[in-house]
Amino acid sequence: GENVEQHPSTLSVQEGDSAVIKCTYSDSASNYFPWYKQELGKRPQLIIDIRSNVGEKKDQRIAVTLNKTAKHFSLHITETQPEDSAVYFCAACQPPKTISNFGNEKLTFGTGTRLTIIP
Amino acid sequence: ETGVTQTPRHLVMGMTNKKSLKCEQHLGHNAMYWYKQSAKKPLELMFVYNFKEQTENNSVPSRFSPECPNSSHLFLHLHTLQPEDSALYLCASSQAPGGRGQETQYFGPGTRLLVL
Repeated sequence: GENVEQHPSTLSVQEGDSAVIKCTYSDSASNYFPWYKQELGKRPQLIIDIRSNVGEKKDQRIAVTLNKTAKHFSLHITETQPEDSAVYFCAACQPPKTISNFGNEKLTFGTGTRLTIIP
Repeated sequence: ETGVTQTPRHLVMGMTNKKSLKCEQHLGHNAMYWYKQSAKKPLELMFVYNFKEQTENNSVPSRFSPECPNSSHLFLHLHTLQPEDSALYLCASSQAPGGRGQETQYFGPGTRLLVL
């Protein structure tokens, strides 16, 4: 099955600086890579995603890059703000193995990165 | 924020109790999931239901019993749990079958379970 590794486990960044979180995956068939943000006591929420046919995607202060050859993808947050403090999870989605299993895409999550923005 | 709801939000139970967790999605999705989130561990997928049919059981002990009566509701029945089962149980839903963006999963707020 898929194995997703995420680093670092904790990250402290001065407000205004950039933060980078990296993930690697093992299954070359994985084709969809979402990032979730989970604030304390709240549910994980999708913040950005990228598909295997794209190398980079940006949405305001957040961007994700994907290197299919190396099987790694990264989350970049620029001009960090206190409200960016949260736990961030990467995930890799494996497509269904058969057509009859269509719709049964499976997400494998990384272990999470606790990001703290220092005012 | 109200697309996927879960009840109860908190639950304390003894090892001999029987309780059920409920999840409801109002997004018109056809796939629903149960995850377990423990401290310092990744989100662990437990069960997947696709069009009310269970398509994944990730080697979950039989003391956890899921039920999906329709595409909008998902239950997790609990009995004779162990203290190590204490965790946040998250429900999620997604559109199915696959297509652009349809594998995106939307999470409920979770049930924080404590087993004494």
